[in-house]
Amino acid sequence: GAGVSQSPSNKVTEKGKDVELRCDPISGHTALYWYRQSLGQGLEFLIYFQGNSAPDKSGLPSDRFSAERTGGSVSTLTIQRTQQEDSAVYLCASSPTLPAYEQYFGPGTRLTVT
Amino acid sequence: AQKITQTQPGMFVQEKEAVTLDCTYDTSDPSYGLFWYKQPSSGEMIFLIYQGSYDQQNATEGRYSLNFQKARKSANLVISASQLGDSAMYFCAMREGPVAGNQFYFGTGTSLTVIP
Repeated sequence: GAGVSQSPSNKVTEKGKDVELRCDPISGHTALYWYRQSLGQGLEFLIYFQGNSAPDKSGLPSDRFSAERTGGSVSTLTIQRTQQEDSAVYLCASSPTLPAYEQYFGPGTRLTVT
Repeated sequence: AQKITQTQPGMFVQEKEAVTLDCTYDTSDPSYGLFWYKQPSSGEMIFLIYQGSYDQQNATEGRYSLNFQKARKSANLVISASQLGDSAMYFCAMREGPVAGNQFYFGTGTSLTVIP
């Protein structure tokens, strides 16, 4: 079956531009997560969505970052006025409510801000 | 305080030997889940093994086992009979709460190199 997909796989943008990163979770998964992974580092939680509940935005590093999830499925992470320190791999993961075991990760979007 | 601590930034193991990757966690929630993921150089995150806080026995999945010591709040990953393909980054993670949808916390990872 189809896994989590993310687009684009690579994005190069100029400092100050806005970018949108897309995540298509596995069909039926109610939970969706966004993480950031800088080169050689661990995963930094950004935001998660669970069903129709208000998202947990506690990990967003600044107000330049926002995310939405439409219809409980596709999610878009938007970074406004990108900075060089935003360069990283952005990973999306989804998880079913039950069984509450693992997250299924997408391949990630590599963002490079020049 | 860090929710997940992995104190070994890098580990080496001889092919066919066993290796233990350390992970300690911090939570006051009685219900939680512990996970290990593998991230090869290609970048994808691969789920390896899961341990629930109420599970009585240590989880095992093929060559992977999780040494769960609840009182010490440790969840070490043991890889038996290491293979060259095991060379990768390994991340320990925790989910607090009884159902998916609660935040996952990841450690900083351990880079494992298997030596032929």
